[in-house]
Amino acid sequence: AQSVAQPEDQVNVAEGNPLTVKCTYSVSGNPYLFWYVQYPNRGLQFLLKYITGDNLVKGSYGFEAEFNKSQTSFHLKKPSALVSDSALYFCAVRPYSGAGSYQLTFGKGTKLSVIP
Amino acid sequence: SAVISQKPSRDICQRGTSLTIQCQVDSQVTMMFWYRQQPGQSLTLIATANQGSEATYESGFVIDKFPISRPNLTFSTLTVSNMSPEDSSIYLCSVDGQDSYEQYFGPGTRLTVT
Repeated sequence: AQSVAQPEDQVNVAEGNPLTVKCTYSVSGNPYLFWYVQYPNRGLQFLLKYITGDNLVKGSYGFEAEFNKSQTSFHLKKPSALVSDSALYFCAVRPYSGAGSYQLTFGKGTKLSVIP
Repeated sequence: SAVISQKPSRDICQRGTSLTIQCQVDSQVTMMFWYRQQPGQSLTLIATANQGSEATYESGFVIDKFPISRPNLTFSTLTVSNMSPEDSSIYLCSVDGQDSYEQYFGPGTRLTVT
């Protein structure tokens, strides 16, 4: 069974500074990896994904993530944080193939607070 | 990407009653999913709903408590039956992105059981 770990419950960063939200995963075979963001009282919005190819993927709102197969990590990054980036961020994984390959498994989420 | 709407957006219900949540998608999709997000928690998959077949429930979730309908390729309902305060959660539906791998989520239904 697949699993996702987000080791930080909360990340605080000053506006304009770079931000990183960490994610490690466990899955049989090759993974499909995703980041979602949830603003208060809203559903989940898709940010970016890694399927195959270049390990650095770019997504919405200036976010990017780096896939590291040897470290089984998929950290979310942004060069310059905005106050409007403050939200709850979820990392998710699904296996490349096999039973349940359509199922997303989510991490517990990391609350990002960008301080003006 | 798919556009998904849910009704109601929120509700406050008394214990012992039932609530049916509707999920509408703007395009035809094969797979729809229902998740629960308890306060301060991550998302937990309740069941997968394919049109024309019985929903597939995850461990810890049963059809008697969470009956699901999937009458066509754009619509699904989730009923939370015989509610207790422990059912207070956000319930989200999602759809598979077909060839794009990701899932798209509705805005959620915030349920409070008193």
